[in-house]
Amino acid sequence: EDQVTQSPEALRLQEGESSSLNCSYTVSGLRGLFWYRQDPGKGPEFLFTLYSAGEEKEKERLKATLTKKESFLHITAPKPEDSATYLCAVFTGANSKLTFGKGITLSVRP
Amino acid sequence: DSGVTQTPKHLITATGQRVTLRCSPRSGDLSVYWYQQSLDQGLQFLIQYYNGEERAKGNILERFSAQQFPDLHSELNLSSLELGDSALYFCASSVGLGTDTQYFGPGTRLTVL
Repeated sequence: EDQVTQSPEALRLQEGESSSLNCSYTVSGLRGLFWYRQDPGKGPEFLFTLYSAGEEKEKERLKATLTKKESFLHITAPKPEDSATYLCAVFTGANSKLTFGKGITLSVRP
Repeated sequence: DSGVTQTPKHLITATGQRVTLRCSPRSGDLSVYWYQQSLDQGLQFLIQYYNGEERAKGNILERFSAQQFPDLHSELNLSSLELGDSALYFCASSVGLGTDTQYFGPGTRLTVL
């Protein structure tokens, strides 16, 4: 069964303090890895899709990378508005579903 | 705004009752997915429809059922509700199948008393 583990569970940063969020996965035949951002009580908001090891994607202060066993979401000089839960999900195509990790709750203090 | 709409936003009901949650996908999207999110389980896939046909099933209880209509909107029916069914229910849509990005709606918060 596909497994996705995100760490740490929670992360508190000072504004401007860069860090990385980790998503490790155990799947058979990864076809895509997705990052979403979720604000409290809202639906997940799509950030990135990565398809193969070595791939990187960037958007504003966020950069996602992928290896054969894990993905990182790097946050450079975060701002308080980056505070949210960041979800990682894998798609293997075995049954057309996304398998999500439990998320990392990021809090950025001004 | 993802373009996916869900109604109602909130639903409060009693144990043993039946409710229907509604989802309208983004314009042009043929796939609809339903997910349940609870504090302890995280986001769990329930079921997927593509152009009116059921395509994939996750850990969906027998008390739960769904369908996708010819206009592509979808409904999730939850019956014989239990306290443990209290959760956020999300609908997502994508253009097709496979690794097409799934865009999520705002969710329906179900509270079973």
